Amino acid sequence: DGGITQSPKYLFRKEGQNVTLSCEQNLNHDAMYWYRQDPGQGLRLIYYSQIVNDFQKGDIAEGYSVSREKKESFPLTVTSAQKNPTAFYLCASMGAGEYTEAFFGQGTRLTVV
Amino acid sequence: KQEVTQIPAALSVPEGENLVLNCSFTDSAIYNLQWFRQDPGKGLTSLLLIQSSQREQTSGRLNASLDKSSGRSTLYIAASQPGDSATYLCAVDGNQFYFGTGTSLTVIP
Repeated sequence: DGGITQSPKYLFRKEGQNVTLSCEQNLNHDAMYWYRQDPGQGLRLIYYSQIVNDFQKGDIAEGYSVSREKKESFPLTVTSAQKNPTAFYLCASMGAGEYTEAFFGQGTRLTVV
Repeated sequence: KQEVTQIPAALSVPEGENLVLNCSFTDSAIYNLQWFRQDPGKGLTSLLLIQSSQREQTSGRLNASLDKSSGRSTLYIAASQPGDSATYLCAVDGNQFYFGTGTSLTVIP
């Protein structure tokens, strides 16, 4: 089945630690996105990539980093510079062209302990 | 910057009622508008995609309309069921994908 997979579902981070969230898709989509969701707020864009080996900052990129070495993979690293990382993280992908549908993974809930 | 607003923020209805969720956006230069459903602790499930040249899309009991010139979309749910209880999000696709904050729907049996 085609789809977009995020792992792990739950992740715990200690203070000062970097953690990496995985996002893999087998939809052959060019574009991939990372969003952060906090209670009572809409989804906020962290980073996006429209092609392999290229990515752009979204609205809240500080304290995060990404890579896009393969078309199907877009991992997100939450660095120690991100002071409030506890949130629900969602990955999405979209095909090429102007009129395509976005698909989302099931999310990773990150908690600082 | 595109701003997307959803009204109401929360809605509670008895089972069987027809209901309308509203979405408005400030910049009409969009490619698509997409409606999603989100269950608690889960990712987003796509419900309907309306291209900018379209006026409406239907899927089962769901009907979404788009008036791009006025910056509005509505999601109509017919004969609501308890299983429809979830948060409904609209998103507009321009240079980026912009989301509203959602409408939390509760359908009471």
